[in-house]
Amino acid sequence: AQTVTQSQPEMSVQEAETVTLSCTYDTSENNYYLFWYKQPPSRQMILVIRQEAYKQQNATENRFSVNFQKAAKSFSLKISDSQLGDTAMYFCAFKTNQAGTALIFGKGTTLSVSS
Amino acid sequence: GAVVSQHPSRVICKSGTSVKIECRSLDFQATTMFWYRQFPKQSLMLMATSNEGSKATYEQGVEKDKFLINHASLTLSTLTVTSAHPEDSSFYICSASEGGNYGYTFGSGTRLTVV
Repeated sequence: AQTVTQSQPEMSVQEAETVTLSCTYDTSENNYYLFWYKQPPSRQMILVIRQEAYKQQNATENRFSVNFQKAAKSFSLKISDSQLGDTAMYFCAFKTNQAGTALIFGKGTTLSVSS
Repeated sequence: GAVVSQHPSRVICKSGTSVKIECRSLDFQATTMFWYRQFPKQSLMLMATSNEGSKATYEQGVEKDKFLINHASLTLSTLTVTSAHPEDSSFYICSASEGGNYGYTFGSGTRLTVV
């Protein structure tokens, strides 16, 4: 069975700084997908970034980028130039390559951005 | 982009009554939808996988007779909490995929309070 581990329950950063959220996972599969979702106080789940395991290049979406280390089964999220609106709970998620399978979530990291 | 509409956003019901939560994919067809439960400051716990035209697949420990799931069309899945009790109070979230592995879109969630 696949598992996702986020070892940082809470993190804080000041505006304009950079922060990295950690995520490790365990799987025996070779092809899969990894995601970071953001859940602000509104509790709406928002997709931040997506990585396909067969792609070596790290995904980037504006201020958000990942460091995907397949051999180490690590998938960290870097947020550059942090903004107050980045304050949220962040979930790392894993999905197998099989169609119709659910996302497996980590426990989440609560990020607080202060001015 | 893909939109998933979930209603109601909040509901308060009396113990022993039933409440229905709807999840609709507005601009795409969703063969598979997922229902999650989330406690405050915790991760999303998968309750069941809902497939259009067939019975839902429930996760271990989830009572299928209490949490009735119906996926009658490619755009609508419903979760009915039957004979609700205060311990059923929680935040319920649905999600759906357009297909492929592009990540799932989430509804805005339903906060259920049983009094």
